Amino acid sequence: KNEVEQSPQNLTAQEGEFITINCSYSVGISALHWLQQHPGGGIVSLFMLSSGKKKHGRLIATINIQEKHSSLHITASHPRDSAVYICAVPPLNNNDMRFGAGTRLTVKP
Amino acid sequence: ETGVTQSPTHLIKTRGQQVTLRCSSQSGHNTVSWYQQALGQGPQFIFQYYREEENGRGNFPPRFSGLQFPNYSSELNVNALELDDSALYLCASSLAGGARAFFGQGTRLTVV
Repeated sequence: KNEVEQSPQNLTAQEGEFITINCSYSVGISALHWLQQHPGGGIVSLFMLSSGKKKHGRLIATINIQEKHSSLHITASHPRDSAVYICAVPPLNNNDMRFGAGTRLTVKP
Repeated sequence: ETGVTQSPTHLIKTRGQQVTLRCSSQSGHNTVSWYQQALGQGPQFIFQYYREEENGRGNFPPRFSGLQFPNYSSELNVNALELDDSALYLCASSLAGGARAFFGQGTRLTVV
């Protein structure tokens, strides 16, 4: 079992729909990262959060440290949101980062 | 734009050759991590450098090696390339202590 599990693996939505991507992890962490990867490979860090909720524009990220679960929500989705969204966690007392396999989001106009 | 730049952006090598990939860190960041991302998978941690010393390593063979320079830029070297080394190689810079990491655009390596 992977240490970081994301669901769904693929997601297709119509423009304007509310999107939820989930991440569960099994290692102890102090923070969790949500990343966005566009075709071609470039990765952008969207959020780093250790508790509660963060909001940036149409993006909202929540985390429950006790349940080892995080969600990324996109409100009023737009075709430009089409990308792979990756959940990543740096385990406690470790220097690396464990990544989920990513969720490929396609938003159709 | 994150301030982390990688070069080259694309590279084709032959099996058995050696390759060097480069990463310039975000200004002020003293930690750089390298990742390998195979097609359709999440990135896998290769190693991390902090102040020119290796500070952690993932499950990669010794033919994957690295360097970090006094200006905190970094190199990833891969010897005796294998077909399975074909992947996107990403570097990320940060301040030590688990702070937010900034990723480069990646180098797409194809081994033929």
